Amino acid sequence: DSGVTQTPKHLITATGQRVTLRCSPRSGDLSVYWYQQSLDQGLQFLIHYYNGEERAKGNILERFSAQQFPDLHSELNLSSLELGDSALYFCASSPQRSLYGYTFGSGTRLTVV
Amino acid sequence: GENVEQHPSTLSVQEGDSAVIKCTYSDSASNYFPWYKQELGKRPQLIIDIRSNVGEKKDQRIAVTLNKTAKHFSLHITETQPEDSAVYFCAANTNAGKSTFGDGTTLTVKP
Repeated sequence: DSGVTQTPKHLITATGQRVTLRCSPRSGDLSVYWYQQSLDQGLQFLIHYYNGEERAKGNILERFSAQQFPDLHSELNLSSLELGDSALYFCASSPQRSLYGYTFGSGTRLTVV
Repeated sequence: GENVEQHPSTLSVQEGDSAVIKCTYSDSASNYFPWYKQELGKRPQLIIDIRSNVGEKKDQRIAVTLNKTAKHFSLHITETQPEDSAVYFCAANTNAGKSTFGDGTTLTVKP
């Protein structure tokens, strides 16, 4: 157990639907990062939150949004889902804004049918 | 934005041999370079990292070197073992809080 909790572990939904992925960072970590990993692909950076505020954005689609709450957990919202959104979504946390390695959660596998 | 190139994309070595994976980055503001190992079906795990004020760091069989002038950094694994087989990712981080990953190297260690 890495200390970063992601729920749900698996999610199957239909095209056009909306889902919410949840992440609880490791105790004491203030930064939360979201990554998308498609089959046999690398890790695509989506977004970074630090202590409740958005810090950096990657190639995140407009259909996707995220937030970090006062208790530091984060949610990634994916809407108008398409088949191509099927992927493994990882959340990671770190103690500070930068210059620290990440601790990854086990991921949420999203399948859009 | 930052671009991180990682080579090779696949690497096969005999058990006991060394393996080297290389990355180059484009953003001169990058100052922290972690390496992650991802076993099949599992989460990436940090295995070693290096900061820009250090040229080399070693931890048992793994080492990382950094050449800031050339914007290169490399992962070296010595005396490879079958359990080293995994996908390895390099990354480059900036103070702005953005981390860019390389595309990964699939390492296979043959017994």
